[in-house]
Amino acid sequence: DADVTQTPRNRITKTGKRIMLECSQTKGHDRMYWYRQDPGLGLRLIYYSFDVKDINKGEISDGYSVSRQAQAKFSLSLESAIPNQTALYFCATRDTGELFFGEGSRLTVL
Amino acid sequence: GQNIDQPTEMTATEGAIVQINCTYQTSGFNGLFWYQQHAGEAPTFLSYNVLDGLEEKGRFSSFLSRSKGYSYLLLKELQMKDSASYLCAVRDRVTGGGNKLTFGTGTQLKVEL
Repeated sequence: DADVTQTPRNRITKTGKRIMLECSQTKGHDRMYWYRQDPGLGLRLIYYSFDVKDINKGEISDGYSVSRQAQAKFSLSLESAIPNQTALYFCATRDTGELFFGEGSRLTVL
Repeated sequence: GQNIDQPTEMTATEGAIVQINCTYQTSGFNGLFWYQQHAGEAPTFLSYNVLDGLEEKGRFSSFLSRSKGYSYLLLKELQMKDSASYLCAVRDRVTGGGNKLTFGTGTQLKVEL
């Protein structure tokens, strides 16, 4: 089983719908992150959290919100999805060194 | 802010050696990471450099020169499975404490027979 699990892996939705992407981890790391990846662009940070009571905006947080329900769970929400939020989304965790990524959630907004 | 440059694509032959370069501009350098990402999969960690010099890990090595804002990833004895995107990521100290990690756009490596 993967240490960092994302659900759903693939989702197609319509403009204006609310979408939640979920992430859970078994690594015991306090730090969790949400990134999006678009062709021709690097991974860009949406939100990050250093513990359950800590939520921080990344470089592209507009249109997104997050919830850190427990140390092991970090969910990303799109309150009203729009087509330019079509992307591959990655959750990641970290202790003190490198990032450990989930397998990705491919979201298509029509 | 940060500016990270790496070639978009490279092609190499199975069994050969390839060097993937990454240049960066930063005000508070605090480490450089290389990740490998196969198409449609998660990035996986390859190497980390914070001091100048070469770090070797089996067929993969990574070099850093902080004064030049330059790193490279060296892949030896290339295998077909090395066909992937290679991401350079730079960690920068930010005002107020903490760090910011910025990813380059990645170098797509194609290994041919």
